[in-house]
Amino acid sequence: DAGVTQSPTHLIKTRGQHVTLRCSPISGHKSVSWYQQVLGQGPQFIFQYYEKEERGRGNFPDRFSARQFPNYSSELNVNALLLGDSALYLCASTPRTGEGEQYFGPGTRLTVT
Amino acid sequence: AQSVTQLGSHVSVSEGALVLLRCNYSSSVPPYLFWYVQYPNQGLQLLLKYTSAATLVKGINGFEAEFKKSETSFHLTKPSAHMSDAAEYFCAGSNQAGTALIFGKGTTLSVSS
Repeated sequence: DAGVTQSPTHLIKTRGQHVTLRCSPISGHKSVSWYQQVLGQGPQFIFQYYEKEERGRGNFPDRFSARQFPNYSSELNVNALLLGDSALYLCASTPRTGEGEQYFGPGTRLTVT
Repeated sequence: AQSVTQLGSHVSVSEGALVLLRCNYSSSVPPYLFWYVQYPNQGLQLLLKYTSAATLVKGINGFEAEFKKSETSFHLTKPSAHMSDAAEYFCAGSNQAGTALIFGKGTTLSVSS
């Protein structure tokens, strides 16, 4: 079975622009979480979605938003990009909220110039 | 609130030597604890997890970790280091299975021949 997939692999944006990152969970997994990993730090939780509903939100500004689709894939959107948004964005999936460990995708490397 | 602390940002060992990576947690409820490994430019791979079934947990690639409630620790060990173990290691915790993970800042393991 395929693992968690993310697209694109790399992305370069300019300050003030908007970006959309995509994630497809492991087949059969209904919950998706997003994390931001700044260089040299551990990942920080951004959002968790289950059955298209937000089930958790980390301490991130409203410029960050996400959604989950009927096929359980997910998008992370970031508006008005700042230099500090440069990071590796990781997606993780679990069978459902409250069950199982999280399996991570390879990430999307976002560079904001 | 849950927090995870990794002691030592960088650990260097010789090939064949014991690997010990330290992790302490702070939680008001029995935690779920995990160790993940990250190779350069890749996502996170689950090494092992603690879910209260057993205090000594065995994972992949010869790693194991022991949950010590009295010390609030979950240190990762491997009896004999291999060159391929060189990577970044993250300890993470959550209050409920499948929910948001709180990560430590990571420990870089270097293995010399």
